[in-house]
Amino acid sequence: QSALTQPASVSGSPGQSITISCTGTSSDVGGYNYVSWYQQHPDKVPKLMIYDVADRPSGVSNRFSGSKSGNTASLTISGLQAEDEADYYCSSYTTSSTLVFGTGTKVTVL
Amino acid sequence: EVQLVESGGGLVKPGGSLRLSCAASGFTFSSYSMNWVRQAPGKGLEWVSSISVSGNYIYYADSVKGRFTISRDNAKNSLYLQMISLRAEDTAVYYCARNQGTTGDCWGQGTLVTVSS
Repeated sequence: QSALTQPASVSGSPGQSITISCTGTSSDVGGYNYVSWYQQHPDKVPKLMIYDVADRPSGVSNRFSGSKSGNTASLTISGLQAEDEADYYCSSYTTSSTLVFGTGTKVTVL
Repeated sequence: EVQLVESGGGLVKPGGSLRLSCAASGFTFSSYSMNWVRQAPGKGLEWVSSISVSGNYIYYADSVKGRFTISRDNAKNSLYLQMISLRAEDTAVYYCARNQGTTGDCWGQGTLVTVSS
């Protein structure tokens, strides 16, 4: 049950687009279309932003989009805004019927 | 409004035990599988355990297997996590999260468990 690999930090200027990667294996990310992304502001509860690789819950801005290729999933934030500064975590369902989270990425808006 | 409220956290000595509870409201609790997820201070999210709607299917992270027991009472709209043989590395905020498919779509505010002598 090794954590999925994410970059420790990603930054961008307001209005730009950034992409966060989430790399796993064929036993998790690559094996299912069950990747989710969460946003967590400091001292706040994680918020679901993307599920099933690319679906957005109602109320989540369409500036957030997800995709997957092989064992790597990606979260793209377009039109970066100050409020997007937060930690982001991916998660995936696994062949063991468990869940595994990514290592987390701190997004900084310059 | 969907609400999940955890309770039962606190300070416990290494080797001690604690039982966490999660009270659910605003949705049909018996129709959803549930998770416990934890976050150590300043660290990332770690999935701990999942339980199916009827409690027949239960899964644990290797790090807690044999020490933690997840359970639910659908009549009381409640989820539980019994923790024994606690270690310093179990220190974390513990969240309960509702499963929508394979995703935790709603999370409680969390309860802090501190394992220290």
